Amino acid sequence: TQLLEQSPQFLSIQEGENLTVYCNSSSVFSSLQWYRQEPGEGPVLLVTVVTGGEVKKLKRLTFQFGDARKDSSLHITAAQPGDTGLYLCKVDAGNMLTFGGGTRLMVKP
Amino acid sequence: GAGVSQSPRYKVAKRGQDVALRCDPISGHVSLFWYQQALGQGPEFLTYFQNEAQLDKSGLPSDRFFAERPEGSVSTLKIQRTQQEDSAVYLCASSLGLSFLNEQFFGPGTRLTVL
Repeated sequence: TQLLEQSPQFLSIQEGENLTVYCNSSSVFSSLQWYRQEPGEGPVLLVTVVTGGEVKKLKRLTFQFGDARKDSSLHITAAQPGDTGLYLCKVDAGNMLTFGGGTRLMVKP
Repeated sequence: GAGVSQSPRYKVAKRGQDVALRCDPISGHVSLFWYQQALGQGPEFLTYFQNEAQLDKSGLPSDRFFAERPEGSVSTLKIQRTQQEDSAVYLCASSLGLSFLNEQFFGPGTRLTVL
């Protein structure tokens, strides 16, 4: 059983569409991070959330940490081809660093 | 260099060979992490250093895997007697501070293929 479940695993949309991806767990976390990874590169940090219910915005990306700090969502408004990549959530579960399996997003022009 | 670098970028090994993967972290970064990323999966934690001390190696899959950071800077991940299931991208990351909340900066990874 994976500590973090990300959904959907794959998402292919047209430029201009909105989308939401999810990171879920049955465990409570002190913090959660979202990363984006492009082919042939390492992940790059997008945001860190630490407070239950917290909402952070990064241009067209909106990140929310669940009230109970067990889950998180990432919403992208008006997706662009440059948003294409693997979106990963990561948590610090005590002394264990864990990534979810990722959502692979493709935005077609 | 401004970022984390890893070498080689690609490595092909015959089953049973030993390999050594190198990570050059950002200068001054205290913490260094190694991850294994199988095709189509998220990275899985292998091990973690603070300066030269290996504080957590719970993610290493077997005793064939060994990591070191002798001077608290460059790190090497060694895999002995490679097997096909070791084929993956090995990512190295460094961060400035001691907290896991600190941003981790990742290198581009080494893609290992074991034939």
